[in-house]
Amino acid sequence: EPEVTQTPSHQVTQMGQEVILRCVPISNHLYFYWYRQILGQKVEFLVSFYNNEISEKSEIFDDQFSVERPDGSNFTLKIRSTKLEDSAMYFCASSAAGGAGELFFGEGSRLTVL
Amino acid sequence: GQQVMQIPQYQHVQEGEDFTTYCNSSTTLSNIQWYKQRPGGHPVFLIQLVKSGEVKKQKRLTFQFGEAKKNSSLHITATQTTDVGTYFCAGLEGGSEKLVFGKGTKLTVNP
Repeated sequence: EPEVTQTPSHQVTQMGQEVILRCVPISNHLYFYWYRQILGQKVEFLVSFYNNEISEKSEIFDDQFSVERPDGSNFTLKIRSTKLEDSAMYFCASSAAGGAGELFFGEGSRLTVL
Repeated sequence: GQQVMQIPQYQHVQEGEDFTTYCNSSTTLSNIQWYKQRPGGHPVFLIQLVKSGEVKKQKRLTFQFGEAKKNSSLHITATQTTDVGTYFCAGLEGGSEKLVFGKGTKLTVNP
């Protein structure tokens, strides 16, 4: 069964450092997403990406964050100058039908900011 | 902005008992989805409801979408230990890509 893969599974970084989280969505999907989940809390939408551009973003997704699809397979989330409160599990998801369809989530990248 | 509320936050049952979680949106939804997250895992899609008043069943799971398309419920009959996890509803407004998750209901099942 096709799956969304994410790397790294765990990243520890110092406050102020830049982090890049990588995702390989399911190959025939066109809609890509980043969500985050602070430990024990709800899953929060960060950004959606379609046709090589951001289609929607939340208030959490400020200038500190950026996304990119550098080639035909990878989808990355960059966090510049990380803060302590950025510590969370970051989930990548992809969909064949956008919000109107099932989201397939990766296993997540746990980010710990010290 | 759109908010999705979900209750209860926690539910502890004996194996064989039924379980229900309820979801309410502050706005009318174009669709609602349900996901299950096992401890330490990632959200896994269970079902999507689109039509007003829709009811769908998956074995012991029954999902409902309210007539006003603002509320939904998930009912599990005769829980099993494999049902353990957190159940999230997630709502989508028309024209949006932003799936808004509820806080989830964490289900524990005593064998």
